[in-house]
Amino acid sequence: EPEVTQTPSHQVTQMGQEVILRCVPISNHLYFYWYRQILGQKVEFLVSFYNNEISEKSEIFDDQFSVERPDGSNFTLKIRSTKLEDSAMYFCAWGDRADEQYFGPGTRLTVT
Amino acid sequence: GESVGLHLPTLSVQEGDNSIINCAYSNSASDYFIWYKQESGKGPQFIIDIRSNMDKRQGQRVTVLLNKTVKHLSLQIAATQPGDSAVYFCAETDDNFNKFYFGSGTKLNVKP
Repeated sequence: EPEVTQTPSHQVTQMGQEVILRCVPISNHLYFYWYRQILGQKVEFLVSFYNNEISEKSEIFDDQFSVERPDGSNFTLKIRSTKLEDSAMYFCAWGDRADEQYFGPGTRLTVT
Repeated sequence: GESVGLHLPTLSVQEGDNSIINCAYSNSASDYFIWYKQESGKGPQFIIDIRSNMDKRQGQRVTVLLNKTVKHLSLQIAATQPGDSAVYFCAETDDNFNKFYFGSGTKLNVKP
């Protein structure tokens, strides 16, 4: 399967700061997702994105979060004012069909 | 809300034996189920999927069984190898495919 990269691999930030996590598919895909995984816990759905719009978002995805596909190849997750509990691995996923999801390697976010 | 959960948090098997990992789900409207494998420090990796109109699907060394009557999903791994050691998650979604719910994971330890 084609590879997805996520940058940065590890982000350390202070509480209250804004972070932008990036997902870079190597070619155009149709469906995008963000998930998070708190250490030792299950993978939690955040948001799905199709046709440059949010399709679905979870209760975790509050006003602090936003997603964007600014230039057609990057897919970003912004957290406006980070909290300690935002510390987690953040995975983007993508697919060319609605029933298809391939995951990136993740970004580890540490909020201090 | 919907929930997906796993019966056993850890499973230890001898190399060469067969493994069975179980998953229970609560949303009878779920239409599509996926098993993922997650190795340490990596994103979830797709293993096999099954739709609600099927009760069994086979892949290479893996079989997924779906029992809609009791809302139960299982992953069978034949001739388990050390490389199969990982955490296994089941995930479910409805026919909109907009939101995927993950179970809490089962850690598979393969003993040489």
